[in-house]
Amino acid sequence: NAGVTQTPKFQVLKTGQSMTLQCAQDMNHNSMYWYRQDPGMGLRLIYYSASEGTTDKGEVPNGYNVSRLNKREFSLRLESAAPSQTSVYFCASSEAQNKRFGPGTRLTVT
Amino acid sequence: AQSVTQPDIHITVSEGASLELRCNYSYGATPYLFWYVQSPGQGLQLLLKYFSGDTLVQGIKGFEAEFKRSQSSFNLRKPSVHWSDAAEYFCAVGARGGSNYKLTFGKGTLLTVNP
Repeated sequence: NAGVTQTPKFQVLKTGQSMTLQCAQDMNHNSMYWYRQDPGMGLRLIYYSASEGTTDKGEVPNGYNVSRLNKREFSLRLESAAPSQTSVYFCASSEAQNKRFGPGTRLTVT
Repeated sequence: AQSVTQPDIHITVSEGASLELRCNYSYGATPYLFWYVQSPGQGLQLLLKYFSGDTLVQGIKGFEAEFKRSQSSFNLRKPSVHWSDAAEYFCAVGARGGSNYKLTFGKGTLLTVNP
């Protein structure tokens, strides 16, 4: 059981470039989430997917899009990266009361 | 809307000393409550959680937390801190709703352990 995996681990982008962060889970969880973590801010929810085929905005969705590709995979896309999106991004999945986090992707936008 | 306050940004304790990290929450009903730990460069690991029942919850690594409804608090405690406990600790509150629960996190408390 790998749990929640994220790729890439690190990424540097120039302003205006696009990229997709990948997340996969092998626990057969229905719900998946994307958070960002910034110093002194804790974790903030970007988007979530309650079940396959549904996605909803979280607290800070602007500048992001998501795709729930199938039950296992939930990707986060930055269409035109901005320096304000420099952050550490965590994917998570949950089923009932069991929530697991991935190891994170550290993204720098210059 | 739910919210979490961790009043202490940074706490320093000596190895072997006792520890209490504070967490206050705001939520309209009985919440789900969590404590997570994050070591440098790592993801979040669940220490313990409260859903219902006994208000004193035991977790991993010798941690415990007590839910006090009257004070809207869920403080994390450990009787004797080890150097390996140095990390950042996050309290979180979740709305009830089956598997679809969204967590609201506090801003974290950084724990430094002196030898």
